[in-house]
Amino acid sequence: SQQGEEDPQALSIQEGENATMNCSYKTSINNLQWYRQNSGRGLVHLILIRSNEREKHSGRLRVTLDTSKKSSSLLITASRAADTASYFCATDPSGSRLTFGEGTQLTVNP
Amino acid sequence: GAGVSQSPSNKVTEKGKDVELRCDPISGHTALYWYRQSLGQGLEFLIYFQGNSAPDKSGLPSDRFSAERTGGSVSTLTIQRTQQEDSAVYLCASKGPGRHNEQFFGPGTRLTVL
Repeated sequence: SQQGEEDPQALSIQEGENATMNCSYKTSINNLQWYRQNSGRGLVHLILIRSNEREKHSGRLRVTLDTSKKSSSLLITASRAADTASYFCATDPSGSRLTFGEGTQLTVNP
Repeated sequence: GAGVSQSPSNKVTEKGKDVELRCDPISGHTALYWYRQSLGQGLEFLIYFQGNSAPDKSGLPSDRFSAERTGGSVSTLTIQRTQQEDSAVYLCASKGPGRHNEQFFGPGTRLTVL
């Protein structure tokens, strides 16, 4: 099965609420990254957390990494309608190419 | 340029035709990747170029798919004898030198095979 699996597959919340997405992976990693994709086009890098880090913040984003459970979470606080997008986690077990999950579709309702 | 560019943005072709998709990476980026994304799915790795090393072609789904990177910059992904299942968005990404693997993506080419 696929390295990097997000859940839930879809999430719908109201503006101002927090959104939490989870990612699980199977092999050891150097780092884990989260990307955002609008309308099925190019991806935008959001945040990278290294394997020796447990938590990282960037603006309204908070990422955690638990290497013992091979899982990560992405928290978006105080969500906005503009946060509506697909969110993907990606791992680099080989240190070069990335392996992406199938993504979580987040809808933030105004 | 300021970012990764891809052309064309959309391509409609007939089954059996060959297509070429182009990627212009960020200047100075030594690594270049091609991915494919079917509707509502995650990204599927296709091929990876790193400097002058032999490319990692392990993700190419069949021998109808090939890619070149000329002069360490522009890359072309070629699909021969296209099939309907080749319909997808083809995404290119590049990465600069450094310890981490943050990739910068182009806007993609949406390929539709009729």
